[in-house]
Amino acid sequence: QVQLVQSGSELKKPGASVKVSCKASGYTFNSYAMNWVRQAPGQGLEWMGWINTNTGNPTYAQGFTGRFVFSLDTSVSTAYLQISSLKAEDTAIYYCAKVAAAGEWFDPWGQGTLVTVSS
Amino acid sequence: SYELTQPPSVSVSPGQTASITCSGDKLGEKYACWYQQKPGQSPVLVIHQDSKRPSGIPERFSGSNSGNTATLTISGTQAMDEADYYCQAWDSSTAIFGGGTKLTVL
Repeated sequence: QVQLVQSGSELKKPGASVKVSCKASGYTFNSYAMNWVRQAPGQGLEWMGWINTNTGNPTYAQGFTGRFVFSLDTSVSTAYLQISSLKAEDTAIYYCAKVAAAGEWFDPWGQGTLVTVSS
Repeated sequence: SYELTQPPSVSVSPGQTASITCSGDKLGEKYACWYQQKPGQSPVLVIHQDSKRPSGIPERFSGSNSGNTATLTISGTQAMDEADYYCQAWDSSTAIFGGGTKLTVL
């Protein structure tokens, strides 16, 4: 079955960097775009953008340019989210989500990776 | 920028029908989908393309979208349906989520 497995929780200090991984299985990785979604503690879902898994071209939503980088390693069917110069407000759960064939909805989602930024 | 508005909370008695709305400008001209998120879990798709149920989603979940409002309806609501629900649509190549609705079954 289609599955997205993300890396474990991270505790980082302000100013550090973090790289979250999302390993896909059960489908042809480079046939479907991968999206990233942030959920701050107690808050709603916020779309961060997506990466074309065929070309590697990323698209970032407003508010997620500069410190956020999407990348791929197609040899291991894995997408990555890297966040640099971490701030306390980056504390959140980060989800990867596969776009459906029609490109309009996200299914499935990874289990989420909690990134905590604290001194 | 485009916005989707949901009521923060909806309450329903077990066995009754729950309706959760999602409002946005000319939303009916776009496809809407819905996700269910239970505490400590990742979101799960329950409705896509306005009214289609993915495999494995119970028939009591249905959706509609017309004018400025998309609606998620849960018929015969069960205690297990208590969760946060988010609508989502696309506008100008940007995925937009509603603020979420907490469904309480009491």
